[in-house]
Amino acid sequence: GAGVSQSPRYKVAKRGQDVALRCDPISGHVSLFWYQQALGQGPEFLTYFQNEAQLDKSGLPSDRFFAERPEGSVSTLKIQRTQQEDSAVYLCASSPTGGDEKLFFGSGTQLSVL
Amino acid sequence: TQLLEQSPQFLSIQEGENLTVYCNSSSVFSSLQWYRQEPGEGPVLLVTVVTGGEVKKLKRLTFQFGDARKDSSLHITAAQPGDTGLYLCAGANNDMRFGAGTRLTVKP
Repeated sequence: GAGVSQSPRYKVAKRGQDVALRCDPISGHVSLFWYQQALGQGPEFLTYFQNEAQLDKSGLPSDRFFAERPEGSVSTLKIQRTQQEDSAVYLCASSPTGGDEKLFFGSGTQLSVL
Repeated sequence: TQLLEQSPQFLSIQEGENLTVYCNSSSVFSSLQWYRQEPGEGPVLLVTVVTGGEVKKLKRLTFQFGDARKDSSLHITAAQPGDTGLYLCAGANNDMRFGAGTRLTVKP
């Protein structure tokens, strides 16, 4: 596609439910990032991939969060046993090569945990 | 904890006024980027600064990278309502970390 695509656009989950958020980066982009953005805040780094390798997962808030990019293209962010504090917009971004180049963002998935 | 501190957090001005927003860190970055984000969308890149002391202009926007590559500023001349949005700085060192942003409102 022409840009980074994220799905679903909105997700409402009951506390304790597992969710999976999908990111389709721009075709051929090597680097992929996940960020969490709380209302009124800047994006907080979660994790970073180069191709299929997860180079940095230091931003994942707990072991309930898991991300994968098995074929170096589409990525999934999974949150197990969701909590209310997980409510946020989850942004995915990709860049052509290294992790310090221009990032192209998707529109995000807004997760609401009730 | 944000690696980059942005100030002010909120700024509300009248159309035609000038403004400056700041991005500060104790870390040195290989480059620094400024993004603008509108509600319901992801951030969009405005500029990348790479060299210490570098100044870049984008129409009414002027970006400066500090000599030590730890801080940056964004100056907007004659602000317009269309400049309203969340301005984010991001520092690059193998990956990209963002500040909390400055939320700018320009009133007509």
